[in-house]
Amino acid sequence: EPEVTQTPSHQVTQMGQEVILRCVPISNHLYFYWYRQILGQKVEFLVSFYNNEISEKSEIFDDQFSVERPDGSNFTLKIRSTKLEDSAMYFCASCEGGEKLFFGSGTQLSVL
Amino acid sequence: GESVGLHLPTLSVQEGDNSIINCAYSNSASDYFIWYKQESGKGPQFIIDIRSNMDKRQGQRVTVLLNKTVKHLSLQIAATQPGDSAVYFCAEKKAAGNKLTFGGGTRVLVKP
Repeated sequence: EPEVTQTPSHQVTQMGQEVILRCVPISNHLYFYWYRQILGQKVEFLVSFYNNEISEKSEIFDDQFSVERPDGSNFTLKIRSTKLEDSAMYFCASCEGGEKLFFGSGTQLSVL
Repeated sequence: GESVGLHLPTLSVQEGDNSIINCAYSNSASDYFIWYKQESGKGPQFIIDIRSNMDKRQGQRVTVLLNKTVKHLSLQIAATQPGDSAVYFCAEKKAAGNKLTFGGGTRVLVKP
């Protein structure tokens, strides 16, 4: 069964450093998303991406965040200068028609 | 503000019994609802979905009920098994848009 894959599974970084989280969405999907989940809390929307541009973003997704689809398969989330409060599990998701999202297993980001 | 929330943070259920997980939503503009299961260290996994023009939908051992009058969504799991132990999230999508907004989650613990 096709699945969304994310790398790395764990990322440890120093405050102020840049990180890039990588995702390979399901191949025939057209909508791509990043969500995050702080430990013990609910899953929060960050950004959605369709037709090679951001279609919607949340207040969390400020100027420190960016997304990119550099080729036909990868979808990345970049955090330019990480803060302690960026520590969370980051989930990539994709879907075919904008409703039923399929999630990856996540990247646990720890900012020290 | 508009939100999706859950009534019970933890539900303990005896193996073999039925489970009912409840979710309240406040956005009457939502046209699509979905339940996800999240096991420890994993991403949300699709269980079942329902559109706003339906009030009931059944899957394998699961049923979703939608009551638009009181803005209430529930997930029923029949003959709960140890493998059903997880956190369950409801999520909604507005008619105009393609992002899912998640509720706070309910932990289901299945006792042998």
